[in-house]
Amino acid sequence: AQTVTQSQPEMSVQEAETVTLSCTYDTSESDYYLFWYKQPPSRQMILVIRQEAYKQQNATENRFSVNFQKAAKSFSLKISDSQLGDAAMYFCAYRSGTGANSKLTFGKGITLSVRP
Amino acid sequence: DAGVIQSPRHEVTEMGQEVTLRCKPISGHNSLFWYRQTMMRGLELLIYFNNNVPIDDSGMPEDRFSAKMPNASFSTLKIQPSEPRDSAVYFCASSNRGFNYGYTFGSGTRLTVV
Repeated sequence: AQTVTQSQPEMSVQEAETVTLSCTYDTSESDYYLFWYKQPPSRQMILVIRQEAYKQQNATENRFSVNFQKAAKSFSLKISDSQLGDAAMYFCAYRSGTGANSKLTFGKGITLSVRP
Repeated sequence: DAGVIQSPRHEVTEMGQEVTLRCKPISGHNSLFWYRQTMMRGLELLIYFNNNVPIDDSGMPEDRFSAKMPNASFSTLKIQPSEPRDSAVYFCASSNRGFNYGYTFGSGTRLTVV
């Protein structure tokens, strides 16, 4: 079974600075997808960024980028120019690339606070 | 696109009562997922459907929990009888066959059983 590990329960960053959130996963598959979700206090789950395992290029969405290391099974999220609105819980998630019904497996999440 | 719609947003009930949570997925999405979120256990998949058919219900904690999807636009999660340990946020999410896009989540139902 696939597992997703987020070992840091909390992190803090100064506004306008850069922060990196760590995630590792365990799988025997070669085809899969990885995601970062943001959950602000409103509790809405918001998709931040996704990465296809077959792509070597790291995904980027504005101030959010990932460092995908397939061999190391590592998938970290970098937030540049942190803003107060980035304060939230962030979840790393894995989805198998085989089968149209594959489920998302989530890590425990990390709470990010942003200091003004 | 109205997104995934869940109701109610909050539910407070007494122990032993029946609780029904509702979900309307995004039109055209063929997969629907029910998750439960607690501080202790994080996000747990309870059950998911594909084309209205339950595919994996191994996450359903016990017989008190049941889920149905009578058509492509509606699903329910029922707890009968409810217990205080069922208190959590319950999310519904839907997805289409392009699974590289992850899920779209509803706003969740916060259930409190007293």
